[in-house]
Amino acid sequence: GAGVSQSPSNKVTEKGKDVELRCDPISGHTALYWYRQSLGQGLEFLIYFQGNSAPDKSGLPSDRFSAERTGGSVSTLTIQRTQQEDSAVYLCASSQGRGRETQYFGPGTRLLVL
Amino acid sequence: AQSVTQPDIHITVSEGASLELRCNYSYGATPYLFWYVQSPGQGLQLLLKYFSGDTLVQGIKGFEAEFKRSQSSFNLRKPSVHWSDAAEYFCAVGAKQTGANNLFFGTGTRLTVIP
Repeated sequence: GAGVSQSPSNKVTEKGKDVELRCDPISGHTALYWYRQSLGQGLEFLIYFQGNSAPDKSGLPSDRFSAERTGGSVSTLTIQRTQQEDSAVYLCASSQGRGRETQYFGPGTRLLVL
Repeated sequence: AQSVTQPDIHITVSEGASLELRCNYSYGATPYLFWYVQSPGQGLQLLLKYFSGDTLVQGIKGFEAEFKRSQSSFNLRKPSVHWSDAAEYFCAVGAKQTGANNLFFGTGTRLTVIP
């Protein structure tokens, strides 16, 4: 596709519910990243996928957070038993996967946990 | 550890005035640096990047940034601001850590442009 796409653009959920956020990277990009942007904070790295390698999950804040990437393309970030502090904008980025390079960001999913 | 500091949370400038947004980084090796802009409700758009070579880099929309290793800085500049430049600006440093080419972001500087 022309750019990174994410869905839904907005999600409102109740505390304790599970949510799934989707990211569709730029076609041909092998590297995919998830970041979280909380109010008044910078972007916080969550997880990184590169090709068929095991993902780097070092940024996930708790075991309620998980992500998968099917077929080396689309990725889903799942948050189980959501808490109010999970409210944030979740941004996905992709890159060619060749080392030092530019990451291209999607528009984000704004999650509000009531 | 890698980190990025953007000391100005909010800057207000008049349209047509010059602009400088500050960015300082901490990174043990030679960094690669980015400036992104985020308009309300939008994702991040790349303004410019520094990987190596000429320390003064030109970007889109008339922006430029200068990498100064001695000051660990990568300040963003524009000689004449337009009303459409009002947005949030993020500086980021790229680092290879545990296999991931992560970006470490500053907390952002919100730019307001007054007529």
